[in-house]
Amino acid sequence: GQNIDQPTEMTATEGAIVQINCTYQTSGFNGLFWYQQHAGEAPTFLSYNVLDGLEEKGRFSSFLSRSKGYSYLLLKELQMKDSASYLCAVMDSNYQLIWGAGTKLIIKP
Amino acid sequence: SQTIHQWPATLVQPVGSPLSLECTVEGTSNPNLYWYRQAAGRGLQLLFYSVGIGQISSEVPQNLSASRPQDRQFILSSKKLLLSDSGFYLCAWKSPLAGDTGELFFGEGSRLTVL
Repeated sequence: GQNIDQPTEMTATEGAIVQINCTYQTSGFNGLFWYQQHAGEAPTFLSYNVLDGLEEKGRFSSFLSRSKGYSYLLLKELQMKDSASYLCAVMDSNYQLIWGAGTKLIIKP
Repeated sequence: SQTIHQWPATLVQPVGSPLSLECTVEGTSNPNLYWYRQAAGRGLQLLFYSVGIGQISSEVPQNLSASRPQDRQFILSSKKLLLSDSGFYLCAWKSPLAGDTGELFFGEGSRLTVL
């Protein structure tokens, strides 16, 4: 079966750096997405990786290793507003998105 | 600019009652449209998607149905709700020009509680 694994919850301190990991086993691979979702709200797009390596976008970076079935989202200079759930999703060989359950990130002052 | 709006935002329905959630997109033509359900502690589950008027693909057999009566309107319905239908329902769109790997844009979500 297809599976996306990410930690259920993480806690970090304001101003620090946090890395949220995502591992996947899917039938084929056509890219990996990260979305941010604040409580009670809709997910919003953060990043897309299809080739190995690091994609940087401001305070957020996303890394992909296709051979290891692994990605991480790196958040720098954490702010209180970064408290949210972070969803990892992989597009399989049929171009269907397989979603992880999300990682709830709690930022403490 | 493109916008997506879905309603109602919150509803509480008794078991066996009907359901209608509506979603509209503005500022784009011929969008790909999606209905997802998000249960607590679980990933987004694709329920239906549509690539054009009257074209509906169902991903999960259930007592829900979807319709696309107009290009930018997507409706999720049920004739008789079950307790297991409770959840957070999300409508989303993607530009057909973005290709298969384009990002999804989500509506505000509709939280359904079936009692």
